[in-house]
Amino acid sequence: GQSLEQPSEVTAVEGAIVQINCTYQTSGFYGLSWYQQHDGGAPTFLSYNALDGLEETGRFSSFLSRSDSYGYLLLQELQMKDSASYFCAPNNAGNMLTFGGGTRLMVKP
Amino acid sequence: DAGVIQSPRHEVTEMGQEVTLRCKPISGHNSLFWYRQTMMRGLELLIYFNNNVPIDDSGMPEDRFSAKMPNASFSTLKIQPSEPRDSAVYFCASGGVAGVTADEQFFGPGTRLTVL
Repeated sequence: GQSLEQPSEVTAVEGAIVQINCTYQTSGFYGLSWYQQHDGGAPTFLSYNALDGLEETGRFSSFLSRSDSYGYLLLQELQMKDSASYFCAPNNAGNMLTFGGGTRLMVKP
Repeated sequence: DAGVIQSPRHEVTEMGQEVTLRCKPISGHNSLFWYRQTMMRGLELLIYFNNNVPIDDSGMPEDRFSAKMPNASFSTLKIQPSEPRDSAVYFCASGGVAGVTADEQFFGPGTRLTVL
């Protein structure tokens, strides 16, 4: 079967670093995507890991370990505007994504 | 590019009525996805089209839901009859470039459906 686990909520202060972990179990795994969604908005793409290792995009980095069925999103130099929900989503055949409930990140001053 | 366009943005209807949600994907994208988002269930994939053909509809909750993609620039999601538990935000997303595997999905602004 398929399963996806990430923390439901994380709180951090402005300027800090936060890591959002994701463990998954799925068949036909191609890679792991991360999406950001602000309240009232639509999900927007952040990153995609097809291979093991770290992908860096500005303040955000994403990591994947296929052997551990594990990934994380690292957000550095947190800003208030980073307050949002973050979804990890395994990619399956046909670029189908499996989303879960996401992690709600609250950044405090 | 205008991005993925969805209409209506908000829909309020009464139980038993037919609801039709519309989506125009980004030109050139060959994949189209319909999602539903609720607090209880998170973001769920309902159906996936590739080159206008339904590939996976295993997420469609029941026969009251149907989706079509008559051409590359238009898709509909229909609920008939609607029920209060169908209240949710429905997102359409498109992705992929014909002949190329792409990783990013582009989401539309969503349709907030309320069934009374």
